[in-house]
Amino acid sequence: KAGVTQTPRYLIKTRGQQVTLSCSPISGHRSVSWYQQTPGQGLQFLFEYFSETQRNKGNFPGRFSGRQFSNSRSEMNVSTLELGDSALYLCASGIGGRFNEQYFGPGTRLTVT
Amino acid sequence: EDQVTQSPEALRLQEGESSSLNCSYTVSGLRGLFWYRQDPGKGPEFLFTLYSAGEEKEKERLKATLTKKESFLHITAPKPEDSATYLCAVPNSGGYQKVTFGTGTKLQVIP
Repeated sequence: KAGVTQTPRYLIKTRGQQVTLSCSPISGHRSVSWYQQTPGQGLQFLFEYFSETQRNKGNFPGRFSGRQFSNSRSEMNVSTLELGDSALYLCASGIGGRFNEQYFGPGTRLTVT
Repeated sequence: EDQVTQSPEALRLQEGESSSLNCSYTVSGLRGLFWYRQDPGKGPEFLFTLYSAGEEKEKERLKATLTKKESFLHITAPKPEDSATYLCAVPNSGGYQKVTFGTGTKLQVIP
């Protein structure tokens, strides 16, 4: 089975721009979660989508948004980029049941200058 | 609020020198605990899920155990390829896939 894929792998943007990241989950997985990872804060939960609906949300500003398509693929958007948004953005997929493990993609490294 | 604390932050071992990593958590009702391994520049790799106190799981040189307040990841006779950051995580009280991660233990195994 193919793993979780994320595109692009690397991105450089300037402050004020917006960015869209993409994630394709493992085949058959209906849950997709997004995380931000930084050296200072570690892995922080952004949001989770299940069957095209946002089911959980972390403590991030409204500039961070996402969506899920009918084929379970997901996109994450960050508008009005700030320097502090520079991070590794990780997508994880799972079967979506309560307390099931997640499988992570390789991440998208976003640098905001 | 759910909290997960890992110790030590970093650990340096000689090849073959066994040790344990600790993950303590504060959650309103244990629903399970996950262990992941993360190599530099990569996404975390799932290792184990432990669902109840007393449960143990093993994979090669790794053994994870769970009590009511903490989990241990025991590494027996580690090899250099075991060098990585080990993360533990707990499902939030909101359930489903919302998970709180610890900050990890960075393990370095010296040949």
